[in-house]
Amino acid sequence: NAGVMQNPRHLVRRRGQEARLRCSPMKGHSHVYWYRQLPEEGLKFMVYLQKENIIDESGMPKERFSAEFPKEGPSILRIQQVVRGDSAAYFCASSPGQVSEAFFGQGTRLTVV
Amino acid sequence: TQLLEQSPQFLSIQEGENLTVYCNSSSVFSSLQWYRQEPGEGPVLLVTVVTGGEVKKLKRLTFQFGDARKDSSLHITAAQPGDTGLYPCLGNAGNMLTFGGGTRLMVKP
Repeated sequence: NAGVMQNPRHLVRRRGQEARLRCSPMKGHSHVYWYRQLPEEGLKFMVYLQKENIIDESGMPKERFSAEFPKEGPSILRIQQVVRGDSAAYFCASSPGQVSEAFFGQGTRLTVV
Repeated sequence: TQLLEQSPQFLSIQEGENLTVYCNSSSVFSSLQWYRQEPGEGPVLLVTVVTGGEVKKLKRLTFQFGDARKDSSLHITAAQPGDTGLYPCLGNAGNMLTFGGGTRLMVKP
């Protein structure tokens, strides 16, 4: 059973471009969480999704950021018109249910130049 | 939004010393997980505690869940340089997973 897979591991974008980060949860997991981490800081919650539904997006900026978890395929975190301040590591975690252990992927490191 | 406060935020100790870090909240959690994160990697799950008062041991690491399920502690005996990393805790309450900011531990040889 493969772990949580995130790709790409590293992503470089110029200011104004779009960034698409993918997260394939562990097999059998229908809950996905996205977190953002700046260097030397802790993980900050962004959004919680179940299949086809956004449950909690209270940690996600209102503009330029969106997330989805379609019925088929990976969860996508999309950042439009990236700015330098978006540079960070983005981690996703998955769990089989609400009251369950969460397992993390290796993260995508986004660098905006 | 539930908040998890971790203390201390930073800890630098010598190899062989013992240490305890804490994860505290005003909310009750159905379960709480401890992770360890090394630079450039994702958090790796160490343990899950579920029952109030529960104590779990993992080699030199001892985890305790408070009786009221609002707080937890991680004790490391005879710390080694390989223990260096960030130790975030994650509380599970309903449909929300709440991360603490983590304790950043450095163990010097």
